[in-house]
Amino acid sequence: GDSVTQMEGPVTLSEEAFLTINCTYTATGYPSLFWYVQYPGEGLQLLLKATKADDKGSNKGFEATYRKETTSFHLEKGSVQVSDSAVYFCALSDPGGADGLTFGKGTHLIIQP
Amino acid sequence: DGGITQSPKYLFRKEGQNVTLSCEQNLNHDAMYWYRQDPGQGLRLIYYSQIVNDFQKGDIAEGYSVSREKKESFPLTVTSAQKNPTAFYLCASREHGKQETQYFGPGTRLLVL
Repeated sequence: GDSVTQMEGPVTLSEEAFLTINCTYTATGYPSLFWYVQYPGEGLQLLLKATKADDKGSNKGFEATYRKETTSFHLEKGSVQVSDSAVYFCALSDPGGADGLTFGKGTHLIIQP
Repeated sequence: DGGITQSPKYLFRKEGQNVTLSCEQNLNHDAMYWYRQDPGQGLRLIYYSQIVNDFQKGDIAEGYSVSREKKESFPLTVTSAQKNPTAFYLCASREHGKQETQYFGPGTRLLVL
């Protein structure tokens, strides 16, 4: 079955540091890929997405590129802020998207001032 | 404002009791989903519904039941058969089109007394 593997946390960085959170996946066909962010006690918010190979999703300074050859969708940001502290989830959806998302276990990001 | 609402924010269950979690959306989405989130486990799919009066089991449906009598509503019942119900429950809905994006509600935290 489908699966998503992302780096374990917590990841602790200083403000203005460069961020990479790794995400790799296993799926049949050509899934759509997503990054969601969760702040304490809240639901998930869509951060960015990519629906086909070589697409780059971007939002709020975050970027991720759909790499089919390495089955990866790593999240990056050039300069993190304290307000970026949250849990980040990588997820995939099979073509058509009817059957729900498959999530990684989440990466807790802590940004120190 | 369009969105997904879940109630209550916190819910307490006694032994042998069934409890129902509410999920309502005014986004005119056809598909709705229920996920369970445990610490360090990511999100797992409980049930989903693609249209009114139809729903399918997800990966961890045992001990749960749902109904979909209206497009806007997808309540989840946690039955007494669910022996470990303590978790954060998230409802989501999916827009039409090719990009399969799911949008999440704020969640309900279920605790056992």
